[in-house]
Amino acid sequence: GQQLNQSPQSMFIQEGEDVSMNCTSSSIFNTWLWYKQDPGEGPVLLIALYKAGELTSNGRLTAQFGITRKDSFLNISASIPSDVGIYFCAGQQGGAQKLVFGQGTRLTINP
Amino acid sequence: NAGVMQNPRHLVRRRGQEARLRCSPMKGHSHVYWYRQLPEEGLKFMVYLQKENIIDESGMPKERFSAEFPKEGPSILRIQQVVRGDSAAYFCASSPNYQETQYFGPGTRLLVL
Repeated sequence: GQQLNQSPQSMFIQEGEDVSMNCTSSSIFNTWLWYKQDPGEGPVLLIALYKAGELTSNGRLTAQFGITRKDSFLNISASIPSDVGIYFCAGQQGGAQKLVFGQGTRLTINP
Repeated sequence: NAGVMQNPRHLVRRRGQEARLRCSPMKGHSHVYWYRQLPEEGLKFMVYLQKENIIDESGMPKERFSAEFPKEGPSILRIQQVVRGDSAAYFCASSPNYQETQYFGPGTRLLVL
């Protein structure tokens, strides 16, 4: 089935560094979402994007909806220990309600 | 406002038994979605229900799996005659209306021995 290609699969950074991850698809999505999942928990919505070219911030997080509608990126500035976790991109196509998820980016931060 | 609730959080079954996973959506939400997550993978859509109706079951395996969302009570994901490959985390999400944000529950981790 449809899948989003998310990269990188994992990141090991120092506290205070900026982080960038992205998600690409071979087909168009109308909505892009970024979630964070902590161990043993469900995904928590970070940012939702609804229009091509849209750039949205949530605190230290910034995400953009690619102009081609086939990609999105998430940036985290000045990382802190609580940013550790797995970040997932997700998209919706057409009128479908179901979310299609990427494989996730596992973020590890060295203090 | 309580979030999406799922129970049990952990469930152990032997091969051939039945597993019943429950999801109570957020208050005021009438749309429920079930997703499955295998280890080290992203979530995969299974089924979308709105009170008493299955809207989209394109991600449901054709056999052994069923879902319902009755007029009263939680949504139930039922897996009959479980096999080891059914071991995964199963997440429920809910939204208030069509095309609105989906909020996820904490998941049920199913282990089939």
